[in-house]
Amino acid sequence: DGGITQSPKYLFRKEGQNVTLSCEQNLNHDAMYWYRQDPGQGLRLIYYSQIVNDFQKGDIAEGYSVSREKKESFPLTVTSAQKNPTAFYLCASSITGQGGGYTFGSGTRLTVV
Amino acid sequence: SQQGEEDPQALSIQEGENATMNCSYKTSINNLQWYRQNSGRGLVHLILIRSNEREKHSGRLRVTLDTSKKSSSLLITASRAADTASYFCATLEYGNKLVFGAGTILRVKS
Repeated sequence: DGGITQSPKYLFRKEGQNVTLSCEQNLNHDAMYWYRQDPGQGLRLIYYSQIVNDFQKGDIAEGYSVSREKKESFPLTVTSAQKNPTAFYLCASSITGQGGGYTFGSGTRLTVV
Repeated sequence: SQQGEEDPQALSIQEGENATMNCSYKTSINNLQWYRQNSGRGLVHLILIRSNEREKHSGRLRVTLDTSKKSSSLLITASRAADTASYFCATLEYGNKLVFGAGTILRVKS
């Protein structure tokens, strides 16, 4: 079955550490996205990529970094510069240029300990 | 930036009743989409309505769009306990980016 896989489901980070969240899709979608969701709130866009080896900052990119070396993969690194990283992180993908719906992964819950 | 704003923030109804959620947005759109999120899970795409459409149906879902008022509504008919979830509207911006509202929490009591 096609879909998006996010791992791990839960992640704990110590102060000052970088952590990387994985996102893999087998839908052959060109575009991929990272969103952050805080409790009781909507989704805010961190980074997005429309094509391999290219990505753009979203609304809240500070303290995060991404790479898009393969079409299937769009990992997100939460750096030590992100002062309030505790949140639910969602990865999504879509077909570029069609303006259709996104397919979401099941999310990674990151907690700073 | 948050484009869509849902109303109400929370809604509690009895099983079998209809649930209506509203969404307002600020700028011109290509399309508007509705998603459902069960607690602690990812979002699931429910329905998409294009800017030149006024109403769309999918099973028990009915979506309307009024571009003059920059608003949309999602109606769930004959609600079930399994419909309990958060519902988000999202508008498509330039660059194929979806911008989400804060969501409506729906609780259906059995």
